[in-house]
Amino acid sequence: AQSVTQPDIHITVSEGASLELRCNYSYGATPYLFWYVQSPGQGLQLLLKYFSGDTLVQGIKGFEAEFKRSQSSFNLRKPSVHWSDAAEYFCAVAISNFGNEKLTFGTGTRLTIIP
Amino acid sequence: NAGVMQNPRHLVRRRGQEARLRCSPMKGHSHVYWYRQLPEEGLKFMVYLQKENIIDESGMPKERFSAEFPKEGPSILRIQQVVRGDSAAYFCASSPPRRQGDYEQYFGPGTRLTVT
Repeated sequence: AQSVTQPDIHITVSEGASLELRCNYSYGATPYLFWYVQSPGQGLQLLLKYFSGDTLVQGIKGFEAEFKRSQSSFNLRKPSVHWSDAAEYFCAVAISNFGNEKLTFGTGTRLTIIP
Repeated sequence: NAGVMQNPRHLVRRRGQEARLRCSPMKGHSHVYWYRQLPEEGLKFMVYLQKENIIDESGMPKERFSAEFPKEGPSILRIQQVVRGDSAAYFCASSPPRRQGDYEQYFGPGTRLTVT
């Protein structure tokens, strides 16, 4: 079965600094890859997704992610964080199985922004 | 186009009572997924439904949990005889039929169930 690992439980970054959140997946083929953000008490919002093609994908709010097949990774980056980026970030994969694209999520990375 | 609707947003039940969680997918979406998020954890898949059909319930506990998505009306996740361990946030997501090279699930705001 596929799995997703987010090795960093909690990251603290200064406002204006760059950010990279790590995500590794385990699966034999290339899955669909997603990053979601969750603010406290809220639902999930899609930041970006990867299916095929260009391995560097751009998302909303200035985020980008790079798919690296050789490392089975899909790390999320932002060149300069804003205080409003403080939230929980989830990496997820979907394995298409006869139209059943259920998502497998990592355990999340909590991002704290300091002034 | 309204997003995925879930109600209630917060639900408090005593041990042994029943909890009913409702999800209305986005207009035009015929696929519904339910996920559970335990405190301090990621989301875990529970069940995948299409209209009048359960496609995959591999993530559902074998007892006390059931789900349906009738021809008319919202999808319902039902938990009978709730226990404290059922306290969690339950999220519904909907999607249209998958198109070549593109796919996305749209999430509702969740129902936060507290069992006392």
